[in-house]
Amino acid sequence: EPEVTQTPSHQVTQMGQEVILRCVPISNHLYFYWYRQILGQKVEFLVSFYNNEISEKSEIFDDQFSVERPDGSNFTLKIRSTKLEDSAMYFCASSEEAGGSQPQHFGDGTRLSIL
Amino acid sequence: GENVEQHPSTLSVQEGDSAVIKCTYSDSASNYFPWYKQELGKRPQLIIDIRSNVGEKKDQRIAVTLNKTAKHFSLHITETQPEDSAVYFCAFHTGGGNKLTFGTGTQLKVEL
Repeated sequence: EPEVTQTPSHQVTQMGQEVILRCVPISNHLYFYWYRQILGQKVEFLVSFYNNEISEKSEIFDDQFSVERPDGSNFTLKIRSTKLEDSAMYFCASSEEAGGSQPQHFGDGTRLSIL
Repeated sequence: GENVEQHPSTLSVQEGDSAVIKCTYSDSASNYFPWYKQELGKRPQLIIDIRSNVGEKKDQRIAVTLNKTAKHFSLHITETQPEDSAVYFCAFHTGGGNKLTFGTGTQLKVEL
């Protein structure tokens, strides 16, 4: 069964540095997402991406964050000038079609630790 | 804004018993309601979902019911097994966009 893959599995970064989290969505999927989960808390939506542009973003997704689809397979989340509170699991997800009511399939996540 | 309340936060059952987790959502335009299972340190895994034109859906030991009037939806697990132990999240999707809003999670523990 096709899966969403994420790299790295764990990223340790000094506060103030930039990080790039990488995702390869399922190949025939058109909608891509990033979610965040602080340890022990619920999953929170960050951003959705369709047709090479952001379709929706949350209040968390401020100017510190950006997303990009640099080629036909990768989908990246960049966090500039990281802060301690950015430490969390970051999950990428994808869904098959545009429009709502489509199942979103999650990757294994990247654990981001800011020191 | 969108909000979903999930109860209980922890649930302990004996193996073979049933478990029920309930969620209440705020957005009447919601039309898609998935449930995710998350084992410790792993991805949220979609286990069942229901759309607003259906009142109930069943897949083997798992079922979901939806009451649109009351804005409630529930997950039912029958004949629970130790491998059902995990955190379960309800979520809902609103018609205006594709984001999922998640509940706060239920830690289910199935005891032998």
